[in-house]
Amino acid sequence: QKEVEQDPGPLSVPEGAIVSLNCTYSNSAFQYFMWYRQYSRKGPELLMYTYSSGNKEDGRFTAQVDKSSKYISLFIRDSQPSDSATYLCAMSAVQAGTALIFGKGTTLSVSS
Amino acid sequence: EPEVTQTPSHQVTQMGQEVILRCVPISNHLYFYWYRQILGQKVEFLVSFYNNEISEKSEIFDDQFSVERPDGSNFTLKIRSTKLEDSAMYFCASSLDGSKNIQYFGAGTRLSVL
Repeated sequence: QKEVEQDPGPLSVPEGAIVSLNCTYSNSAFQYFMWYRQYSRKGPELLMYTYSSGNKEDGRFTAQVDKSSKYISLFIRDSQPSDSATYLCAMSAVQAGTALIFGKGTTLSVSS
Repeated sequence: EPEVTQTPSHQVTQMGQEVILRCVPISNHLYFYWYRQILGQKVEFLVSFYNNEISEKSEIFDDQFSVERPDGSNFTLKIRSTKLEDSAMYFCASSLDGSKNIQYFGAGTRLSVL
């Protein structure tokens, strides 16, 4: 069983739509959950991070973690064409210097 | 805003040659990492480095790979004898400390092995 699973899409939505991106994981030791955005042939750009369970909101972005279900989500409200990118979930255990384990990424396209 | 910088952006090499990929982590960060991403695949962890020592490495990081912090600002990844399958994007990352493990990535070096 893969450690982190993420539907690769592609996901196409019209401008203004609400987007829901999701990942599931199997390792109960994961405590830190991140969402990165990656443009083609560029480095991952940190969008949001969450520790343990709960919600976190930053502007149009909301991250949710449900540790009981081993399921994390990223919601994008009022999506814009500039949101078109690949979104990567990543997670790690608490220990310092620990590897981030990434999902494969979901490619999102927002059309105007 | 501070950022992780990587050079070169693209490196082309012949199979069997040695390459060194360079990174300048964010200046006050203490933990440094290398990841790679083969085209169309996941970002994969290679190695983490703290206090001049490797703290964790993956099974990918075999004897062909080494890391070094030669001075107070640079962090390098050396591949001794490149193989075709080493062709990938290589990302350097850094994190401030161990309490949050929030890692910031550079733009990457695209390594092409011919």
